[in-house]
Amino acid sequence: QQKVQQSPESLSVPEGGMASLNCTSSDRNFQYFWWYRQHSGEGPKALMSIFSDGDKKEGRFTAHLNKASLHVSLHIRDSQPSDSALYFCAASEPNTGKLTFGDGTVLTVKP
Amino acid sequence: EAAVTQSPRNKVTVTGGNVTLSCRQTNSHNYMYWYRQDTGHGLRLIHYSYGAGNLQIGDVPDGYKATRTTQEDFFLLLELASPSQTSLYFCASSRDIQDTQYFGPGTRLLVL
Repeated sequence: QQKVQQSPESLSVPEGGMASLNCTSSDRNFQYFWWYRQHSGEGPKALMSIFSDGDKKEGRFTAHLNKASLHVSLHIRDSQPSDSALYFCAASEPNTGKLTFGDGTVLTVKP
Repeated sequence: EAAVTQSPRNKVTVTGGNVTLSCRQTNSHNYMYWYRQDTGHGLRLIHYSYGAGNLQIGDVPDGYKATRTTQEDFFLLLELASPSQTSLYFCASSRDIQDTQYFGPGTRLLVL
């Protein structure tokens, strides 16, 4: 079983709408979580990290972590066409720092 | 913004060929990483390093060697390339073990 699972595989929202992406880990060794975004033809770029239970907000982006269920989500409000990209959830163990990535969610924001 | 460069950007080789992918970071970061990205598998860690001369095994190391010659430079070596190694390869760097990783633009490798 894959250790980091993302859903949905793809998502389409209208411009100005809310996009919600989900990620679940099956490994309780994972303590730290990141969201990365990759535009076509580029390398991934970190959006935000979350290590504590609850919400973390950075501009239009809000991440939520529930450590008990190992579930992390990313919510993008007022979505823009420039937000169209592949979004990865990644998790790491405290000691090694190695990142394990999910397969990604393709977000399309339609004007 | 942290800077990570990769070369070449595209590479074509034949089965059994010898390939070296290069990565340089000018961020004074301690950690460097090599990943491969394949459709349906996300990004998978091949090797990583926490300093010159150091090498750590990642999650998919078979068929790959790596060498960190300086703080700035990290190389990925495919000594007997196989078609299964056709992929998009990314290098990344981070200041410390749990810090944000900064990715390069990628190298697309095709093994015929």
